[in-house]
Amino acid sequence: QVQLVESGGGLVKPGGSLRLSCAASGFDFSDFYMSWIRQTPGKGLEWFSFISTTGSAIYYADSVRGRFIISRDNAKNSLYLQMNSLRAEDTAVYFCARERRTERPYHFDSWGPGTLVTVSS
Amino acid sequence: DIQMTQSPSSLSASVGDRVTITCRTSQTINNYLNWYQHKPGKAPNLLIYAASELQSGVPSRFSGSGFGTEFTLTISSLRLEDFATYYCQQSYRTVYTFGQGTKLEIK
Repeated sequence: QVQLVESGGGLVKPGGSLRLSCAASGFDFSDFYMSWIRQTPGKGLEWFSFISTTGSAIYYADSVRGRFIISRDNAKNSLYLQMNSLRAEDTAVYFCARERRTERPYHFDSWGPGTLVTVSS
Repeated sequence: DIQMTQSPSSLSASVGDRVTITCRTSQTINNYLNWYQHKPGKAPNLLIYAASELQSGVPSRFSGSGFGTEFTLTISSLRLEDFATYYCQQSYRTVYTFGQGTKLEIK
């Protein structure tokens, strides 16, 4: 069955960097757009980045543009998020999600359980 | 960005109750509206896409309706496993946005 598992979260100081990974299995990873979505403490969900099947199309929300980099390795069935210049407000549980684009509206039909990133001195 | 407003933000109900959650958007989004269920520590789960289409494997007690700027998620008869937080999400514009969530609690 479809499975997504995030890893790489942890405690990091403000201004620091962290790299998250998302391992995919149970489907043809190279056929799907992938997204990163986060849930901040006490708040709801915030989508902030997607990457196309080949990596040729990438989009970031303003909140992370210029600091975060999304990438993928289809040979390894893996999605990545390089997070730089981290701020306290980046503290969140980070989810990777598969985006279904075979029909409108696009929707996230599979998610991982998330990995916690805490930015604190 | 399209703003999403869910109501209520929390809801207490009993097993067997019928509950309805509303999602309003700051601009029209046709039917580009999806609903998710999220339990703490778990992966969020897609329930409804395109406002009213039931995702495969989701029980038929869940239903969605609406078009334009107002949408509803209805659970016809609550079961214990339905107590969770529910989010609406629009994919009309590329900056996908979510509602703030509705926490469904046991009365």
